[in-house]
Amino acid sequence: DAGITQSPRHKVTETGTPVTLRCHQTENHRYMYWYRQDPGHGLRLIHYSYGVKDTDKGEVSDGYSVSRSKTEDFLLTLESATSSQTSVYFCAINPSVNTGELFFGEGSRLTVL
Amino acid sequence: GEDVEQSLFLSVREGDSSVINCTYTDSSSTYLYWYKQEPGAGLQLLTYIFSNMDMKQDQRLTVLLNKKDKHLSLRIADTQTGDSAIYFCAEGDNNNDMRFGAGTRLTVKP
Repeated sequence: DAGITQSPRHKVTETGTPVTLRCHQTENHRYMYWYRQDPGHGLRLIHYSYGVKDTDKGEVSDGYSVSRSKTEDFLLTLESATSSQTSVYFCAINPSVNTGELFFGEGSRLTVL
Repeated sequence: GEDVEQSLFLSVREGDSSVINCTYTDSSSTYLYWYKQEPGAGLQLLTYIFSNMDMKQDQRLTVLLNKKDKHLSLRIADTQTGDSAIYFCAEGDNNNDMRFGAGTRLTVKP
């Protein structure tokens, strides 16, 4: 158990509404990541963070923003959700920058109607 | 995920060996990984191999790396029904640049 919790685990929302997903870790790891998982695409990196208030864009960052005001929390925000953002979102941490292995949360399933 | 390719489905009988294949394009990748995803759960790291290695064995798992052909495989010996899951191949130098395949769904029939 890598001590990662995501909330909410399931959410249904309407197009145009804002949505925030939360990732919480208990082990003070520096690196945290948000991925989305879609059929046929595997996992694609949205944003990542390498410390408090230090974030950067990933491969599919358009339409998403992130914030990290505390080491333990990494928030992913969809300012105005669209149907193309219907997906399963995974948070991950990296406890070892030497080997690069990631530990993932359970996922948050978001449906945008 | 376009840089890492895997076949989407594999079906085997319980007790047989499973071989899941992956090809990648970035020859500078330092590590190659295999992750397992069970229904409703996040990905779980199974094993990884450093790019200067040819093979790594860990109990029922054997990873083979052909760096010349950029081909990675995962062999699961004595496959069990509990091995049914989606298996993801991934490559990367560091986590900021990790690329995942689309995943291979392994079905194990009794």
